[in-house]
Amino acid sequence: AQSVAQPEDQVNVAEGNPLTVKCTYSVSGNPYLFWYVQYPNRGLQFLLKYITGDNLVKGSYGFEAEFNKSQTSFHLKKPSALVSDSALYFCAVRDDQTGANNLFFGTGTRLTVIP
Amino acid sequence: GAGVSQTPSNKVTEKGKYVELRCDPISGHTALYWYRQSLGQGPEFLIYFQGTGAADDSGLPNDRFFAVRPEGSVSTLKIQRTERGDSAVYLCASSLSLQGTQFFGPGTRLTVL
Repeated sequence: AQSVAQPEDQVNVAEGNPLTVKCTYSVSGNPYLFWYVQYPNRGLQFLLKYITGDNLVKGSYGFEAEFNKSQTSFHLKKPSALVSDSALYFCAVRDDQTGANNLFFGTGTRLTVIP
Repeated sequence: GAGVSQTPSNKVTEKGKYVELRCDPISGHTALYWYRQSLGQGPEFLIYFQGTGAADDSGLPNDRFFAVRPEGSVSTLKIQRTERGDSAVYLCASSLSLQGTQFFGPGTRLTVL
């Protein structure tokens, strides 16, 4: 069975500081990993994904994430946070072994960037 | 180009009523997914289609829920005899293929009184 854990419900960071939003996963096979962002009253917006290849993935709006197989983690990072980055962030996984194509999501982390 | 659209954006209904939620995927996307997001939770899978057929409906909570995609484009999620516990945001996503990146619509907020 697959699962995703986002251990922090809330992350606060000062504008201009680096940010990290944590995600760990559990799958039977190889993971396909995704980050989405959700702004108030809007749907999920795709940020980036890891399928295979380079462990450091770069995505939209200056975000990046690092796949770490030994730690089963896929933390989202940005070198310098903006106030406009404040939103709800979801990590999701798909297990290539199950044959299912739906995503399993974490419970989300609310990021607040303080001016 | 246009993204995934969902109508209505909000739906308020009474317990026991029937509702239909519509999803219009990105043009050319063959795969379509329905998820449900309850307050404070991440989206949970309901069903997905490849073309006109439901490839996996294992996430539908019970037989009050049903979805169709008759022409392989627009999909309708149908809920019979709604219950208060059905209140949630229903999200639709589409992808170019079954293994492609899923792009989400804005969702329909369903409130059952």
